[in-house]
Amino acid sequence: DTEVTQTPKHLVMGMTNKKSLKCEQHMGHRAMYWYKQKAKKPPELMFVYSYEKLSINESVPSRFSPECPNSSLLNLHLHALQPEDSALYLCASSQVLLSGYEQYFGPGTRLTVT
Amino acid sequence: GENVEQHPSTLSVQEGDSAVIKCTYSDSASNYFPWYKQELGKRPQLIIDIRSNVGEKKDQRIAVTLNKTAKHFSLHITETQPEDSAVYFCAASKRSNFGNEKLTFGTGTRLTIIP
Repeated sequence: DTEVTQTPKHLVMGMTNKKSLKCEQHMGHRAMYWYKQKAKKPPELMFVYSYEKLSINESVPSRFSPECPNSSLLNLHLHALQPEDSALYLCASSQVLLSGYEQYFGPGTRLTVT
Repeated sequence: GENVEQHPSTLSVQEGDSAVIKCTYSDSASNYFPWYKQELGKRPQLIIDIRSNVGEKKDQRIAVTLNKTAKHFSLHITETQPEDSAVYFCAASKRSNFGNEKLTFGTGTRLTIIP
């Protein structure tokens, strides 16, 4: 099973709301990622978790807060977002291999901030 | 950090012809080069990848070549079909101190297959 799932598919939230995005994988992967993708652009890395520990934060504003409760789950907590944060949020996972890895993406959550 | 350039940004090809997309990278330590296909409104899907110890890899109609000396790699699609229409992203990565690797993506190529 090479599937990464994400919920919800779509989310509309106001600038004062608090919401969370959820990502799940059951492939035994030990690295999980959050990406942000704007229209007609490549995915932009936000956070990387390796063995449930945050290993990379690409200088993401604190209104985005990641959480990795266990090796299968990854959450992204959202608070006080701005309209420019509207985008497709993609989760991905991979095994940790020595010479390169295959990274599998979830279907994404289409977020609209009003 | 790594920088990946991708060309062309758009490509239109007659059905049945071949398509070639090229990428260059800047960091000679990069050792893994995947290609992703993203259809409109869908997730990026890994279609083929190559590691630095290999010069060429083929999977049915898709092939990737790597020239480490010149620091460039290319995606070749033969006998193109309408379902090949999508945006294609190349990427490069290397092992980091964290035990995993960041992917640096190219800017994407919108491939259109003309029936």
